[in-house]
Amino acid sequence: QVQLVQSGAEVKKPGSSVRVSCKASGGTFNYYIFTWVRQAPGQGLQWMGRIIPILGVTNYAQSFQGRVTFTADKSTSTAYMEVSSLRSEDTAVYYCAEGQDLGMRYWGQGTLVTVSS
Amino acid sequence: DIVMTQSPDSLAVSLGERATINCKSSQSVLYSSNNKNFLAWYQQKPGQPPKLLIYWASTRESGVPDRFSGSGSGTDFTLTISSLQAEDVAVYYCQQYYSNPPYSFGQGTKLEIK
Repeated sequence: QVQLVQSGAEVKKPGSSVRVSCKASGGTFNYYIFTWVRQAPGQGLQWMGRIIPILGVTNYAQSFQGRVTFTADKSTSTAYMEVSSLRSEDTAVYYCAEGQDLGMRYWGQGTLVTVSS
Repeated sequence: DIVMTQSPDSLAVSLGERATINCKSSQSVLYSSNNKNFLAWYQQKPGQPPKLLIYWASTRESGVPDRFSGSGSGTDFTLTISSLQAEDVAVYYCQQYYSNPPYSFGQGTKLEIK
């Protein structure tokens, strides 16, 4: 049973950056595929991209390309998402999830990022 | 990129009645090599992360009640709740994960009790 625990809520100024962590336990890190999903207030789910740590592969949705970076640290079984040049529209809950061909079975609890001056 | 469109946007159904949510993809998500449709359904309740209900269009995730079922192939899919329970009030999303990313979600369908 994989568990994903995300870092806590953040309040950021426009133009700054934020890094959200997603610590995995209960599985084998080399087999993980992490997806990041954004949900703006009152809105639907938006696929941001994924990282496959064992392959060193990252894929980004076009709308986030160049402003979002996914990384992973095998030594701590943690995936990271960094968003730069934050703007008010980036205010959202960010989720990490694990899985792919059998759907995304495991989800973190979500991290609220608020961008406000 | 594949665009996923759900219908309706919202739905009100009486307790014990059937609820049906549709999802259409802009191109086929059927993988011919294994005859699997790379489509999943998720349920999201307020303040919670999404929960996987169905993968490969029709395979129920472990622990999901059998009143939930998925059907369809190619570009047209359906999530059916055979007998609506109060705890099924949620927003439901379809997602395709066919071939190469991006793996898009539908816009969501809000299910309420009539």
